[in-house]
Amino acid sequence: GAVVSQHPSWVICKSGTSVKIECRSLDFQATTMFWYRQFPKQSLMLMATSNEGSKATYEQGVEKDKFLINHASLTLSTLTVTSAHPEDSSFYICSAGGLWAKNIQYFGAGTRLSVL
Amino acid sequence: GQNIDQPTEMTATEGAIVQINCTYQTSGFNGLFWYQQHAGEAPTFLSYNVLDGLEEKGRFSSFLSRSKGYSYLLLKELQMKDSASYLCAVPMFSGGYNKLIFGAGTRLAVHP
Repeated sequence: GAVVSQHPSWVICKSGTSVKIECRSLDFQATTMFWYRQFPKQSLMLMATSNEGSKATYEQGVEKDKFLINHASLTLSTLTVTSAHPEDSSFYICSAGGLWAKNIQYFGAGTRLSVL
Repeated sequence: GQNIDQPTEMTATEGAIVQINCTYQTSGFNGLFWYQQHAGEAPTFLSYNVLDGLEEKGRFSSFLSRSKGYSYLLLKELQMKDSASYLCAVPMFSGGYNKLIFGAGTRLAVHP
């Protein structure tokens, strides 16, 4: 399967600071990547679709000014949690895939964010 | 819209067989995925069913009935390492992209 790398795997930050999470496709080009959020013992909730060279498409209820997504190249998408607060503490996961992968989504290892 | 239902928790004994069910309601159908997720880790792909029937892949098999909106994941010869959450997901084509919509997941605990 394809390889998706996500960094960092774990980050602790103070309330009010911003945190950037990177998602890279290592062995393929990804025009589209997806960002998910997962709370403990809950399933993955899609936050937004990241599109190379254009604006991200956010799901209903997700604040685009809070969760900034940049997809500047075919192998890199970033999610920046701006002015983070304790309620933003969660597990953030990216994925990539598409028709070339028979619709299979391959996931990064995830980033656990803890906001103090 | 999409609606996906699966049991919240299941327990089973090492060496046994367990079946995890998933029912779905979708506007349009483009296949059904099963993913495995260990605690604190990202999901890993298990299976993708598009046509009716059973697909076997080693100890894991996945079944689909499109007319019934039903799928199950069958795990044989259970091992302790199979303790994980199993996520049922369906793609939803929206805005030009195939997004994955996940069920709540079934937490499977395998006991000795």
